[in-house]
Amino acid sequence: AQSVTQLGSHVSVSEGALVLLRCNYSSSVPPYLFWYVQYPNQGLQLLLKYTTGATLVKGINGFEAEFKKSETSFHLTKPSAHMSDAAEYFCAVSHPSNTGKLIFGQGTTLQVKP
Amino acid sequence: KAGVTQTPRYLIKTRGQQVTLSCSPISGHRSVSWYQQTPGQGLQFLFEYFSETQRNKGNFPGRFSGRQFSNSRSEMNVSTLELGDSALYLCASSQTTGQQTQYFGPGTRLLVL
Repeated sequence: AQSVTQLGSHVSVSEGALVLLRCNYSSSVPPYLFWYVQYPNQGLQLLLKYTTGATLVKGINGFEAEFKKSETSFHLTKPSAHMSDAAEYFCAVSHPSNTGKLIFGQGTTLQVKP
Repeated sequence: KAGVTQTPRYLIKTRGQQVTLSCSPISGHRSVSWYQQTPGQGLQFLFEYFSETQRNKGNFPGRFSGRQFSNSRSEMNVSTLELGDSALYLCASSQTTGQQTQYFGPGTRLLVL
């Protein structure tokens, strides 16, 4: 069975500071990994994904994540936070042969202070 | 391309009633997945439909059901509503082959009184 753990339900950073949102996964096979963002009263927007190939993936809005198999991690980073980054972020995993089913972490709310 | 659309956006129902939610996928997408989002349980997978067939099912009671039409549009139905069914119901669509990515709609917020 697959599972996802996001460390820290709330993360607060100052504008311009580094953003680091942590995600660890459990999977019996090399998974596909995703980060989604959700703004209030909206659906989920894909930030980035890892399927195969290069382990450092770049997404939209300056975010990137690195797949580390040895650490079973897929942490999300952004060098400089912007006020508009304040939202809830979800890490998700799927089995490569079952990509219609996403398993989500509990989410991390990012607060950006001026 | 238009994104995933869900109707209605908001619903208020009372316990014991039933409800039907609709999802129109991105043009050309043939897979539709449904998720329930609540503050307590987070995002949970309900089911996935592909070519009018249920391909995956999550751990929800039989009161939750769905279907998909030949144009890939999907509906989910919840019968005998309970207070705990109050949630944001999200629909996502994806293409059929390769490294599928799910694209989400804005959701339907259901309140059960």
